[in-house]
Amino acid sequence: NAGVTQTPKFQVLKTGQSMTLQCAQDMNHNSMYWYRQDPGMGLRLIYYSASEGTTDKGEVPNGYNVSRLNKREFSLRLESAAPSQTSVYFCASSEVDSAYEAFFGQGTRLTVV
Amino acid sequence: GNSVTQMEGPVTLSEEAFLTINCTYTATGYPSLFWYVQYPGEGLQLLLKATKADDKGSNKGFEATYRKETTSFHLEKGSVQVSDSAVYFCALGRNTGFQKLVFGTGTRLLVSP
Repeated sequence: NAGVTQTPKFQVLKTGQSMTLQCAQDMNHNSMYWYRQDPGMGLRLIYYSASEGTTDKGEVPNGYNVSRLNKREFSLRLESAAPSQTSVYFCASSEVDSAYEAFFGQGTRLTVV
Repeated sequence: GNSVTQMEGPVTLSEEAFLTINCTYTATGYPSLFWYVQYPGEGLQLLLKATKADDKGSNKGFEATYRKETTSFHLEKGSVQVSDSAVYFCALGRNTGFQKLVFGTGTRLLVSP
């Protein structure tokens, strides 16, 4: 049971380059999320998708776009990377109702130079 | 808005010592409360949860009690092991419907033999 799979695990970008972080879950969850993790700041929500076909901004959406490709996949795109986007990115998924737990991928460590 | 405050780390303990990591929250309504754990190089995984006041969540020897009167959800373990070394995140979420977690900044626990 793979759970939540993120690719790539590591990436180095130059300022201004673009890239897409991929995320897929095999638990048939309706909701998916992208978080970033920075030292001393915990996890902050970038974008989320409550269900297939919908996406919404989270706490820190600037500089990012997302696509809910289907129920399984939720990608995060950086159109023009900036050093401030150096972070560890986590994808997560959960079921909709009753305070179900969120399941996290292993993370993507992104460095923008 | 909703927020979570947890004690700063790192917390350094010897094996078999007693552990407390403090967590307090601010929220409207009646949130669910969670502790997530992140082992080195991995994503977050749910450690325990409580969905209403006075509930006690427990798992792997860890416990936390949902205290509405003090808006707290402190994590405790009677005897820590080296394998408990990790970063612990307190989080709150909604009790029903779509889940959008708010995380604390995380507390690093280091357990020495």
